[in-house]
Amino acid sequence: AQKVTQAQTEISVVEKEDVTLDCVYETRDTTYYLFWYKQPPSGELVFLIRRNSFDEQNEISGRYSWNFQKSTSSFNFTITASQVVDSAVYFCALSGWETSGSRLTFGEGTQLTVNP
Amino acid sequence: NAGVTQTPKFRVLKTGQSMTLLCAQDMNHEYMYWYRQDPGMGLRLIHYSVGEGTTAKGEVPDGYNVSRLKKQNFLLGLESAAPSQTSVYFCASSRGGFDEQYFGPGTRLTVT
Repeated sequence: AQKVTQAQTEISVVEKEDVTLDCVYETRDTTYYLFWYKQPPSGELVFLIRRNSFDEQNEISGRYSWNFQKSTSSFNFTITASQVVDSAVYFCALSGWETSGSRLTFGEGTQLTVNP
Repeated sequence: NAGVTQTPKFRVLKTGQSMTLLCAQDMNHEYMYWYRQDPGMGLRLIHYSVGEGTTAKGEVPDGYNVSRLKKQNFLLGLESAAPSQTSVYFCASSRGGFDEQYFGPGTRLTVT
């Protein structure tokens, strides 16, 4: 079985603050993929990033960065200098090569509110 | 290029009624998925398809059926709706099994 835990149900910050969203996963697979999706108030899910289990390099895309650490089974997401438009629910998800094939297991999501 | 579309956007059903949700994608993707989203539970996979003419069960398949007669369409059916099926339903598609999934706008279903 595989599991994704997003312990932070809700986070509230003031604009321009940095914020980190935590994601901890469990899987017995040696090959797996991790994802982050954003769900803004409009409701549609937007893909943000995909990493495979063999690539532990951190990634930066503009104000977004991701820290993947296999030793702690974590794939955390940081938004630097947050903006009101970052307000959304963010989901971390996992797909294991052996266990789940193409099926994604989602965490419960973190509701981020950025206040002006 | 519309991406993934879902029909209808909203629906209210009475217990015991049936309905079909339609998902269409124009990206020539092989894989298609149906999820349901409930408060505090993230998204849970109902059924999925790895190609035209194939379907497979996900995490919560009971009470639902699916069909993939054409590559671009994936239908989700509720034969006898129950209040527990009140949810937001999302369709998604992907090129390959481990590629990013593209989601439709969702269908909000209420069963009374």
